[in-house]
Amino acid sequence: GAVVSQHPSWVICKSGTSVKIECRSLDFQATTMFWYRQFPKQSLMLMATSNEGSKATYEQGVEKDKFLINHASLTLSTLTVTSAHPEDSSFYICSARIHGASSSYEQYFGPGTRLTVT
Amino acid sequence: GNSVTQMEGPVTLSEEAFLTINCTYTATGYPSLFWYVQYPGEGLQLLLKATKADDKGSNKGFEATYRKETTSFHLEKGSVQVSDSAVYFCALTSNTGNQFYFGTGTSLTVIP
Repeated sequence: GAVVSQHPSWVICKSGTSVKIECRSLDFQATTMFWYRQFPKQSLMLMATSNEGSKATYEQGVEKDKFLINHASLTLSTLTVTSAHPEDSSFYICSARIHGASSSYEQYFGPGTRLTVT
Repeated sequence: GNSVTQMEGPVTLSEEAFLTINCTYTATGYPSLFWYVQYPGEGLQLLLKATKADDKGSNKGFEATYRKETTSFHLEKGSVQVSDSAVYFCALTSNTGNQFYFGTGTSLTVIP
């Protein structure tokens, strides 16, 4: 089946530093990848939509200069949290849509990355 | 607009009890409906889906029927197990876009 991986699975960083999270589709090509953020005991909130070879589309209220997204290939998208602060601590989840899929529901979710900023 | 409302938890059940988690939605067009499960410390896994009215999604003993007349997609299981303890998310995607809209999640704990 379609597998999406994320690396790292968890990371602790100091306030003011930057952290990069990778999202990979392991056995399929993904034209579009999505980044979500999940706060404790809350639902997933879409942060941005990432299309291969073009700029990401950010949801309202998401700082594009803080959450840098790069989708350089059909199997890899990265989210970089720049100048991280404790309030950025969260669970970040990506999903990938199969290239050429006609239905939006052909998305597969990664296992998530837990970021803790101290 | 699109939105999903699901019953608040947490829900605690004894093993072999019957489970219902209510989910209703608001959507434009003809959405596809999903239930995702999130086990502790893990990401979301697709549990089941239904793409049109009256479809029934089923997997691992869980079922949900797409009811357009009541805009609902309630999750049911006849006999829960301890291993079913997780957070369950109801979600939809519209037929016009890529975005998933998630409910707030319902935490289920099954005790022996």
